Amino acid sequence: EPEVTQTPSHQVTQMGQEVILRCVPISNHLYFYWYRQILGQKVEFLVSFYNNEISEKSEIFDDQFSVERPDGSNFTLKIRSTKLEDSAMYFCASSDPHKGSTEAFFGQGTRLTVV
Amino acid sequence: KNEVEQSPQNLTAQEGEFITINCSYSVGISALHWLQQHPGGGIVSLFMLSSGKKKHGRLIATINIQEKHSSLHITASHPRDSAVYICAATFGNEKLTFGTGTRLTIIP
Repeated sequence: EPEVTQTPSHQVTQMGQEVILRCVPISNHLYFYWYRQILGQKVEFLVSFYNNEISEKSEIFDDQFSVERPDGSNFTLKIRSTKLEDSAMYFCASSDPHKGSTEAFFGQGTRLTVV
Repeated sequence: KNEVEQSPQNLTAQEGEFITINCSYSVGISALHWLQQHPGGGIVSLFMLSSGKKKHGRLIATINIQEKHSSLHITASHPRDSAVYICAATFGNEKLTFGTGTRLTIIP
């Protein structure tokens, strides 16, 4: 069964460092998303991406964040200068609404710890 | 404001019990999703529905559009059902707006 894969599963980084979280969405999906979940809190939307550009972003997704689809398969989230409060589980998801479905398929998540 | 509310936040039950988790939402959803989050953190989609009822194994999801309410039921609950169950909605665009989740613990 097709699945969304994320790497790494866990990343520890120093405050102020740049991190890149990687995702391989399901191959025929057209919409891609990043969500995050701070420990003990609910999952929050960060950004959606369609047709090689951001289609929507939340207030959380400030200038420190960027997304890219560098080739036909990868979808990345970059945090330029990490802060302690960026520590969270980051989830990538993809969907194919043109099939009449908004069902999103999630990756297993990347646990980011900023120290 | 697009909001999703879930109850209860925590639920502990004995194996075999019938489980109900509730979700209410503000107007204008295009679809309601039930998801399961495992202890390791991964999220799995259980159901997506916009009307009526869906069933998969021991899990049943219902939605009442007029009352803006959905329920997730688990019949003959088992310890392996222990997880966090999350209600989420799409409000006309494609992103999901999440509820706070219900932590379910089934005791053998």
